Amino acid sequence: SQQGEEDPQALSIQEGENATMNCSYKTSINNLQWYRQNSGRGLVHLILIRSNEREKHSGRLRVTLDTSKKSSSLLITASRAADTASYFCVSNEKLTFGTGTRLTIIP
Amino acid sequence: GAGVSQTPSNKVTEKGKYVELRCDPISGHTALYWYRQSLGQGPEFLIYFQGTGAADDSGLPNDRFFAVRPEGSVSTLKIQRTERGDSAVYLCASSLSGGSHEKLFFGSGTQLSVL
Repeated sequence: SQQGEEDPQALSIQEGENATMNCSYKTSINNLQWYRQNSGRGLVHLILIRSNEREKHSGRLRVTLDTSKKSSSLLITASRAADTASYFCVSNEKLTFGTGTRLTIIP
Repeated sequence: GAGVSQTPSNKVTEKGKYVELRCDPISGHTALYWYRQSLGQGPEFLIYFQGTGAADDSGLPNDRFFAVRPEGSVSTLKIQRTERGDSAVYLCASSLSGGSHEKLFFGSGTQLSVL
């Protein structure tokens, strides 16, 4: 069974706009990670947030975590065409993935 | 090596045949994961190794699937009597010591096509 579920399933925005995607999970966590997968196969780690953190930044990425709601959000600011990809959250020890959010940046 | 290496990158086989997929993790990484990904879906967990032992094999779909990591480095995923439904990209990942606090490094995957 999937631990993290991303929402929305698909998102299209204009280049330069901000993109927000959400993740909900079912059981208590120690850490939550976000990954990106470009067309093709490459999966790349983006950012990790610990359960005692509420917000974390890395470049144009901002991740929030609300353990009371069992949810996280990933914000990408000033989007670029290269941000077009699928985004996944991973939260349990087995590191299972959800179905992801497919983000399309329109030039 | 510099990254996680998977071979072959593509494998075409006939229904009923046996296949082996290889994963060479980053040197020194004790944790190794296998995932399977179908088109439009997220990676589906198959098995997780900690060292030489399978710490969690609950994702293996049936007994046709088996994986080994005899020396705690290279791992081989073995699929017997392949079926068309086994067609997918098989992804391997490694991390330094395993667990949700460690980031995963992924290989480029093996595209398996069962005709």
